[in-house]
Amino acid sequence: DAMVIQNPRYQVTQFGKPVTLSCSQTLNHNVMYWYQQKSSQAPKLLFHYYDKDFNNEADTPDNFQSRRPNTSFCFLDIRSPGLGDAAMYLCATSARTSWHEQFFGPGTRLTVL
Amino acid sequence: AQSVTQPDIHITVSEGASLELRCNYSYGATPYLFWYVQSPGQGLQLLLKYFSGDTLVQGIKGFEAEFKRSQSSFNLRKPSVHWSDAAEYFCAVGTILTGGGNKLTFGTGTQLKVEL
Repeated sequence: DAMVIQNPRYQVTQFGKPVTLSCSQTLNHNVMYWYQQKSSQAPKLLFHYYDKDFNNEADTPDNFQSRRPNTSFCFLDIRSPGLGDAAMYLCATSARTSWHEQFFGPGTRLTVL
Repeated sequence: AQSVTQPDIHITVSEGASLELRCNYSYGATPYLFWYVQSPGQGLQLLLKYFSGDTLVQGIKGFEAEFKRSQSSFNLRKPSVHWSDAAEYFCAVGTILTGGGNKLTFGTGTQLKVEL
């Protein structure tokens, strides 16, 4: 089945130690998104890619970066994780022709010690 | 800026009972509205969406929602709840992004518990 895959499902890192989260998709969608969902809060869009064009939300901290080397893969890099970055990180995709529906991966839960 | 309010953080219903989850939105233009469901350990799954036209929309798993512009609401309903419906439900408003895709602004979610 076509899907959105996130690895790892659980990630533990130390305060200040860079971490990378991975997302891959078999849907061949043009658009990929990263959301941050803190405990008991709504998911919040960090940034998205339309093809190779990167679009950052205005309030996304500089500590968060992203890479999309090809259509299938997208990475979220946290350069110096703080305790406040502990959250569920959700990757989603949508197709240009059906932009209204986003397909979500299962998420990566990040713990910062 | 758009925003979404889900006033009920937790709701408990008995299996077989009817369900209504409330959602209010704030948006300057005609809203694109969505309901997503998130089961434990799973990603978000789209239940239904409203763009225009008929204000009563049908979704998957027997859910429906009604758009009421005068009340800025988009409440989710199900006539008879099943134990497998226990999950977290998110209402969202969508904004079209330049070049394609849409930004979802979510409410804080309603956790549904189903009693057998």
